[in-house]
Amino acid sequence: EPEVTQTPSHQVTQMGQEVILRCVPISNHLYFYWYRQILGQKVEFLVSFYNNEISEKSEIFDDQFSVERPDGSNFTLKIRSTKLEDSAMYFCASAKTGRETQYFGPGTRLLVL
Amino acid sequence: QKEVEQNSGPLSVPEGAIASLNCTYSDRGSQSFFWYRQYSGKSPELIMSIYSNGDKEDGRFTAQLNKASQYVSLLIRDSQPSDSATYLCAVDNNAGNMLTFGGGTRLMVKP
Repeated sequence: EPEVTQTPSHQVTQMGQEVILRCVPISNHLYFYWYRQILGQKVEFLVSFYNNEISEKSEIFDDQFSVERPDGSNFTLKIRSTKLEDSAMYFCASAKTGRETQYFGPGTRLLVL
Repeated sequence: QKEVEQNSGPLSVPEGAIASLNCTYSDRGSQSFFWYRQYSGKSPELIMSIYSNGDKEDGRFTAQLNKASQYVSLLIRDSQPSDSATYLCAVDNNAGNMLTFGGGTRLMVKP
């Protein structure tokens, strides 16, 4: 069964450093998403991406964040200058259409020191 | 601010019993509703999706949707210890381009 994959599974970085989180969505899916979950808190929406552009973003997704689909398979989330409060689990998800089920990857646990 | 509310629990049921999980949402424009299961430290895993009023059954799981009351529920019949997890209710927005999650209900099924 096709799955969303994410790399790395864990990342430790210093405050102020740039990080890139990578995702490979399910191959025939057209809609891509990033969510994050701070330990013990809700899953929070960051951004959705369709047809090579952002279709929705949350207040969390400020100028420090960017997304890109650099080729036909990868979908990346970049955090330009990490803050302590960016420490969280970051989930990538993909869906065939905008209203259908979003399938989640295993997540990248980011720790900012 | 669109809200999705769930009782955090824990909801404790004996093995073989029915577990009933509830969720309310605030966005009347929502059209897609999902129940995900999340084990500690893992990603959300889809249990059920529901798009129209009424009941939808899949094996031991039944989702119920009442758009007039802005209420979604999940029933788990013949609960098993392996069902012990946090159950997340997720609701889309009017544009259908994001999900808002509730805080989750922690279910504990005791052998």
